[in-house]
Amino acid sequence: GDSVTQMEGPVTLSEEAFLTINCTYTATGYPSLFWYVQYPGEGLQLLLKATKADDKGSNKGFEATYRKETTSFHLEKGSVQVSDSAVYFCALSRTDYKLSFGAGTTVTVRA
Amino acid sequence: GAVVSQHPSWVICKSGTSVKIECRSLDFQATTMFWYRQFPKQSLMLMATSNEGSKATYEQGVEKDKFLINHASLTLSTLTVTSAHPEDSSFYICRAGTEKNIQYFGAGTRLSVL
Repeated sequence: GDSVTQMEGPVTLSEEAFLTINCTYTATGYPSLFWYVQYPGEGLQLLLKATKADDKGSNKGFEATYRKETTSFHLEKGSVQVSDSAVYFCALSRTDYKLSFGAGTTVTVRA
Repeated sequence: GAVVSQHPSWVICKSGTSVKIECRSLDFQATTMFWYRQFPKQSLMLMATSNEGSKATYEQGVEKDKFLINHASLTLSTLTVTSAHPEDSSFYICRAGTEKNIQYFGAGTRLSVL
């Protein structure tokens, strides 16, 4: 079945540091890939997505590229801020409705 | 602000009692509602999918009689954990979908069964 593996946290960074969260997946066919973010006390929000190989999703300074050859969708941001402190989830979907999630990575950015 | 309100955010109950978790869409009609469960440091696991006015479709391994899902209106779905036991302690999250397939998550409910 489908599965998503993302790097374990927690990750603690200083402001303006570079952030990478690794995500790899296992799925048949060509799934859509997503990154969701959950800020403290809030629900998960879609951060970015990519629907086919070599697509790059981007939002709020975050980027991730759909790499079919390595079955990866790593999340990156060049300069993090304290407000980026959250839990980040990688997910895939082969339909528009069912999502398979990674375990989540907690990121804390210190001023 | 939040477009999906999930309540309560945290509940502690005694073993053997039932707990109801509500998920409300605040400014849209949720034609589809998904309920997830998350154990510490693990993925969100889909428990069931429900469409308004229909019976919920449960994922394999999820007990229908234990996790009762009601989606009686386009703005409210409930998950009732019946006769809760300590192993039911977990984080439960709802996700509401619109006709245009726009998806919103609730903030989650942490259930602790003593």
